[in-house]
Amino acid sequence: ETGVTQTPRHLVMGMTNKKSLKCEQHLGHNAMYWYKQSAKKPLELMFVYSLEERVENNSVPSRFSPECPNSSHLFLHLHTLQPEDSALYLCASSQDQGFYEQYFGPGTRLTVT
Amino acid sequence: GENVEQHPSTLSVQEGDSAVIKCTYSDSASNYFPWYKQELGKRPQLIIDIRSNVGEKKDQRIAVTLNKTAKHFSLHITETQPEDSAVYFCAASKNRGSTLGRLYFGRGTQLTVWP
Repeated sequence: ETGVTQTPRHLVMGMTNKKSLKCEQHLGHNAMYWYKQSAKKPLELMFVYSLEERVENNSVPSRFSPECPNSSHLFLHLHTLQPEDSALYLCASSQDQGFYEQYFGPGTRLTVT
Repeated sequence: GENVEQHPSTLSVQEGDSAVIKCTYSDSASNYFPWYKQELGKRPQLIIDIRSNVGEKKDQRIAVTLNKTAKHFSLHITETQPEDSAVYFCAASKNRGSTLGRLYFGRGTQLTVWP
């Protein structure tokens, strides 16, 4: 698959579990993002990576831990989540930070039980 | 930080009619305004964007207008078709400062086009 891919597409986890979301972009982009999309709310930016360095962390709880091992891959490590963390998690990439189109992945639908 | 308000939250139109979605922003330094379309179960995709040095941009049936003085921008869809049915998100961004390139999204508008 070309563009931005995400795995898994669906995830159900208990509050004591540890899991990871994976994002991969095949576009040669330098910036990658994690967003949270909840019903009736704006898309919430969680993390921004530019050239594998984290440039923004929007007061996201420490139970969410990002990792960017290279410019093509982005992970979101999850542990001891809460039911209110259930949402669609979208990864996106862009050529660079700034006024560039952000290409979104299909998202991971996360349910915390 | 920036605050983007979007209205209406839902919009129903008859096929062939026009649809208008409006957004306001709070930070006068914002100078880039993209619109994303998200069809049911699919990812958001950019459909049009505008920068603050122009007041209007058009691409076939869609157009965006920007009023910097009033700090609002709008999406206009003419001759709507059922495949235009989706959630539309507006966003605002600026090209300087610690929030370089960060997109602040509105809450979205669910557009339904009835055949």
